Amino acid sequence: GQQVMQIPQYQHVQEGEDFTTYCNSSTTLSNIQWYKQRPGGHPVFLIQLVKSGEVKKQKRLTFQFGEAKKNSSLHITATQTTDVGTYFCAGLDNYGQNFVFGPGTRLSVLP
Amino acid sequence: SQTIHQWPATLVQPVGSPLSLECTVEGTSNPNLYWYRQAAGRGLQLLFYSVGIGQISSEVPQNLSASRPQDRQFILSSKKLLLSDSGFYLCACTGLIIAGELFFGEGSRLTVL
Repeated sequence: GQQVMQIPQYQHVQEGEDFTTYCNSSTTLSNIQWYKQRPGGHPVFLIQLVKSGEVKKQKRLTFQFGEAKKNSSLHITATQTTDVGTYFCAGLDNYGQNFVFGPGTRLSVLP
Repeated sequence: SQTIHQWPATLVQPVGSPLSLECTVEGTSNPNLYWYRQAAGRGLQLLFYSVGIGQISSEVPQNLSASRPQDRQFILSSKKLLLSDSGFYLCACTGLIIAGELFFGEGSRLTVL
């Protein structure tokens, strides 16, 4: 079945440094979503990408969908302590009914 | 806007005891509803989803069951809990703004001893 992987599993950065997490799928995706889960909280939807090569920005966050629609990335510029949490990607392939979540990347930001 | 209520928020249960987690949704009608489990420090595993009253699909074989007695009510149950059932259980529904967006409740943290 479809598998979604994310790297790195953990990332520790100094406040102000950039951060990137990568998401890779075993199958071609029709859509990909990104969620953020704060420590002790629940996942919150950030964005959905649909088109090959699509790039979307939300303030300091940049999301990219690969040309082959099998990978995606989330880049945070100049991290802040409010960025702390686990970032999940979730992919929907052409045959699936539901999104499959990656294992997440846990981001720690040191002040 | 939609709201998801989950309860209880925290639960400690002995092995072999029953379980009932409840989820209700407000601000939307006929949503798709989902139960996810998150083991400590891990990703989200889809357990059940429902597209309507009485319609339940199971994603993985397990010790749990789900029911949807009303349009905006989703219940997760077990007759006898196992240690491996411990985790963070999240109810979710489809969002109103973006097709496919999942809107999560605040979760129920279950510890089985």
